[in-house]
Amino acid sequence: NAGVTQTPKFRILKIGQSMTLQCAQDMNHNYMYWYRQDPGMGLKLIYYSVGAGITDKGEVPNGYNVSRSTTEDFPLRLELAAPSQTSVYFCASSYLVASGGAADTQYFGPGTRLTVL
Amino acid sequence: AQTVTQSQPEMSVQEAETVTLSCTYDTSENNYYLFWYKQPPSRQMILVIRQEAYKQQNATENRFSVNFQKAAKSFSLKISDSQLGDTAMYFCAFMKHDKNAGKSTFGDGTTLTVKP
Repeated sequence: NAGVTQTPKFRILKIGQSMTLQCAQDMNHNYMYWYRQDPGMGLKLIYYSVGAGITDKGEVPNGYNVSRSTTEDFPLRLELAAPSQTSVYFCASSYLVASGGAADTQYFGPGTRLTVL
Repeated sequence: AQTVTQSQPEMSVQEAETVTLSCTYDTSENNYYLFWYKQPPSRQMILVIRQEAYKQQNATENRFSVNFQKAAKSFSLKISDSQLGDTAMYFCAFMKHDKNAGKSTFGDGTTLTVKP
């Protein structure tokens, strides 16, 4: 298993440009998440998905969009990039524990470092 | 909403010694999970240890153990026999036990340096 993969690893954008950060997992996890990590800070949740076709906002969703057409993929779209979106972006996934009815440990991708100039 | 506080931005320890990282959280939930993640310079988030709130017994994983005090809402991480490879940023995280969520709230981290 590759686990959670993210592409690209690094990207520099100009203000106003758009891009899509890719995330894929091969563990058949039903939950997927996008976080951002600003320098010296913890992770903040941008969007999450509890399954294909279902997404919801996290703490800091403004300026981002997501889609979840398959179980495996959860791309994050940045429209009209701004310097405030300079950050490291992490994708994560977890599995719903059916007996407990709750999501369990999150597994993280390696991150994408995005700079907006 | 849940909050997680790590009051020690930076800590250091001599190799082979023991260090404790503190974490407190605020929640009105009764069922939840707590985690410690390690983030080395590679930036990869690595799960160190996990605790279920309904379990009174403190979780342990080799050199890593926690002191979980549910009433005090405290979840500290003890690293025994510190190794140079333990140098990293450590994050405490809270996850509500909720089939519709599974979202984590993270603290701002503690940077740990292990000195030779």
